[in-house]
Amino acid sequence: DGGITQSPKYLFRKEGQNVTLSCEQNLNHDAMYWYRQDPGQGLRLIYYSQIVNDFQKGDIAEGYSVSREKKESFPLTVTSAQKNPTAFYLCASSTNGQRVRNQPQHFGDGTRLSIL
Amino acid sequence: AQKVTQAQTEISVVEKEDVTLDCVYETRDTTYYLFWYKQPPSGELVFLIRRNSFDEQNEISGRYSWNFQKSTSSFNFTITASQVVDSAVYFCALRGAGGTSYGKLTFGQGTILTVHP
Repeated sequence: DGGITQSPKYLFRKEGQNVTLSCEQNLNHDAMYWYRQDPGQGLRLIYYSQIVNDFQKGDIAEGYSVSREKKESFPLTVTSAQKNPTAFYLCASSTNGQRVRNQPQHFGDGTRLSIL
Repeated sequence: AQKVTQAQTEISVVEKEDVTLDCVYETRDTTYYLFWYKQPPSGELVFLIRRNSFDEQNEISGRYSWNFQKSTSSFNFTITASQVVDSAVYFCALRGAGGTSYGKLTFGQGTILTVHP
């Protein structure tokens, strides 16, 4: 079945460590997104990519980095510069282009990141 | 800037009650898209409905219905005869159609709905 796979489901980070969250989709979507969810808050956009080898900062990009070398994959690295990384991270994808702006984003199951 | 407000942080109802989740939005785009998502305890966001700004027709899908009123910038969601399986966090989201808002979803804070048996 088509969908979005995020791994791992749970991740623990030590002080000063970089960690990478995986996101893979087989929906043939051009656009991919990373969101952060904190308790009592909505989802906030970290980075998004509308096409391979291109990505833009979202609203809270500081302390994070991404790459988009393949259409199917959009990994997110939480760097040591992110001082408050404990959160639930959701990856999403959607079709792209003028005609499909009303298409919904499809989400993965999320990765819960905690500090050791 | 875009903004979505879900004023109800938590709602608790007893099974079979009707419940309405409020959503108010702000945008300068003349064309935009509104969405509702459901987040069950498993964490994945499940798409429920989208509405284009130029289509104010209300929609009913089973026990779910949506009331879009452009004049009040609201897109409210009603669950009729609620069930325990409806317990989840519900998010309203807005997507602009132009400029820097292209492709980006702005989410409300979410409403936690608990349906008791």
